[in-house]
Amino acid sequence: ILNVEQSPQSLHVQEGDSTNFTCSFPSSNFYALHWYRWETAKSPEALFVMTLNGDEKKKGRISATLNTKEGYSYLYIKGSQPEDSATYLCACPSPDSSYKLIFGSGTRLLVRP
Amino acid sequence: NAGVTQTPKFQVLKTGQSMTLQCAQDMNHEYMSWYRQDPGMGLRLIHYSVGAGITDQGEVPNGYNVSRSTTEDFPLRLLSAAPSQTSVYFCASSYDGRAKNIQYFGAGTRLSVL
Repeated sequence: ILNVEQSPQSLHVQEGDSTNFTCSFPSSNFYALHWYRWETAKSPEALFVMTLNGDEKKKGRISATLNTKEGYSYLYIKGSQPEDSATYLCACPSPDSSYKLIFGSGTRLLVRP
Repeated sequence: NAGVTQTPKFQVLKTGQSMTLQCAQDMNHEYMSWYRQDPGMGLRLIHYSVGAGITDQGEVPNGYNVSRSTTEDFPLRLLSAAPSQTSVYFCASSYDGRAKNIQYFGAGTRLSVL
């Protein structure tokens, strides 16, 4: 079973702070990495799918980078706002089937006004 | 556009009862899947389907059955509910299930088994 790890587990920041967190995955047999944003009582929503080493993606104040050789991805939030409070999940396909996504346990972000 | 619709939103069962969680999508997606989410853990894949008539097991399939008779619907059946199945269940779909395609999630079903 693929081990996808996220750190930290939770993070409290002040409004306006920039922050980042990490998703680690085995670097062998990499295929793709997904980032999802999950607000309490809502559905998880896709942020990015990344496939190439060195990939950088951006959506508003949120961006992500990918290093497949060392097996990590960073998610950055610039100038955090209270509405950014959510759990951020990353996922990679399982080595035995690209149809099975394996999720990390998430980073819970709380942005204080 | 409804996207992925799950019913019910909440359910309480007694141990040993059976029930079906419904999931429907209107995006003509071939791939559909069921996850459960427990505190401190990520989403764990229960079962998935790559098209009508085709299903396969995920990480945690025991105690759950699925079928896919149409492209739109992918119900999840609990045959004899156990307290260990208390969880939040999410249904998701994607265009063809390949890992480069994002998954679209339903709003979830919160299930308690007493």
